[in-house]
Formats: sequence, C-alpha cells, structure tokens
Amino acid sequence: EPEVTQTPSHQVTQMGQEVILRCVPISNHLYFYWYRQILGQKVEFLVSFYNNEISEKSEIFDDQFSVERPDGSNFTLKIRSTKLEDSAMYFCASKVAGGYSSYEQYFGPGTRLTVT
Amino acid sequence: GQQVMQIPQYQHVQEGEDFTTYCNSSTTLSNIQWYKQRPGGHPVFLIQLVKSGEVKKQKRLTFQFGEAKKNSSLHITATQTTDVGTYFCAGRNSGTYKYIFGTGTRLKVLA
Repeated sequence: EPEVTQTPSHQVTQMGQEVILRCVPISNHLYFYWYRQILGQKVEFLVSFYNNEISEKSEIFDDQFSVERPDGSNFTLKIRSTKLEDSAMYFCASKVAGGYSSYEQYFGPGTRLTVT
Repeated sequence: GQQVMQIPQYQHVQEGEDFTTYCNSSTTLSNIQWYKQRPGGHPVFLIQLVKSGEVKKQKRLTFQFGEAKKNSSLHITATQTTDVGTYFCAGRNSGTYKYIFGTGTRLKVLA
C-alpha cells in the first residue's frame, strides 16, 4: 500500500539554526499538508499546499516557516531560525483530490524536531 | 478562532467494556473526520461524516454526526487491547482547506 514517507525521523538542532524537513507524499496525491504535534498534545494544522502554492496557513505558520515542492515528489518544510518552542513532531499528510472535499488524509510517520 | 474540544481527555476501561468519546466544535462544520493515533505513531484515518445526523459503523466502532453538524461521537463496543491509542476528531468548515483537530481522547484498555 502506498504511504507517505518523511525524513529524517529525528532532527536535533540548536536554537537559531535552519532546518528542512522532507516529505514524499503518495504519488497521485495533489493536496499536501504540514501539521505539528507538541508531545502529548493535539495535532495542529500549519499549512496546506496545492498547485505549487500555499492554499491556507495557520497563525503558527509565520515568516519563519516556508514550504516548497522542489520537484515532482518532495514536499519540504523549512524553519529559518528555530526556537525552543518549535520542538515538536512534524507530520506531513497528503490527499488525493478535492481541496474542499471530504477525502481522507494520509499521514507520514513524522519527524521529531528537538531544538536545544 | 474555531475550537474543537473532546471529552473525556483520558479513559481507562476494562477489556470488554464500551467506550465513547465526544467531539464538540465551536462552529458548524462541513464535515468531520476521525483518526486514531497509537502511542508513538501517526494519525490514521478511520472515517469521515458529511451529512447532518449521519451514523456510520465499522465493526465495533459507531460514529455519529450531530444534527446541527457541531458535534460528533465515536463509540466502541466491547473494547479490546488493540483499541489502545488516542482518538482525534478533525473538523472542517465550509470554504476552507484546513482541518482543526480536537484535543483527543486517550484510551487505555486493561486486560
């Protein structure tokens, strides 16, 4: 069964450093998402992406964050200057179609980001 | 902003007992999805509900969407140890792409 993959599984970085989290969505999917989950808390929406542009973003997704789909397969989340409070699990998700419609999202296994 | 709350936050049950988690949105939803997250895992899609008053069943799991499309519930009959995990609802408003996840209910099943 096709699945969303994410690398690395764990990233440790120092405060102020830039990190890039990578995701490979399912190949025929068109809508892509980043979520984060602070340990033991709920899943928080960061950004949705369709047709090579951001379709929606949350208040969390400020100027320090950016997303890119540099080629036909990868989908990346960049945090320009990490802060301690960016420590969390970051999940990538994709879905097949229908920006407004009711299709299931497939989540990747996540990247645990630890900022020291 | 939109809030989606779930109760209870935690639930411990004996194996074989039933379990219910309730999801309440501050706004009317276009549709709602339910996810299960095993400890250390990622959210896995269970089901989506779209119509007012909709009820769907998956084996021992029963999902309901309220008439006003502001609340939903997940009921598990005769829990098993494999049901352990955190159950999240995720609601979407009309005209938006994003799903707002609920606060989650962590289920522990005691053998």
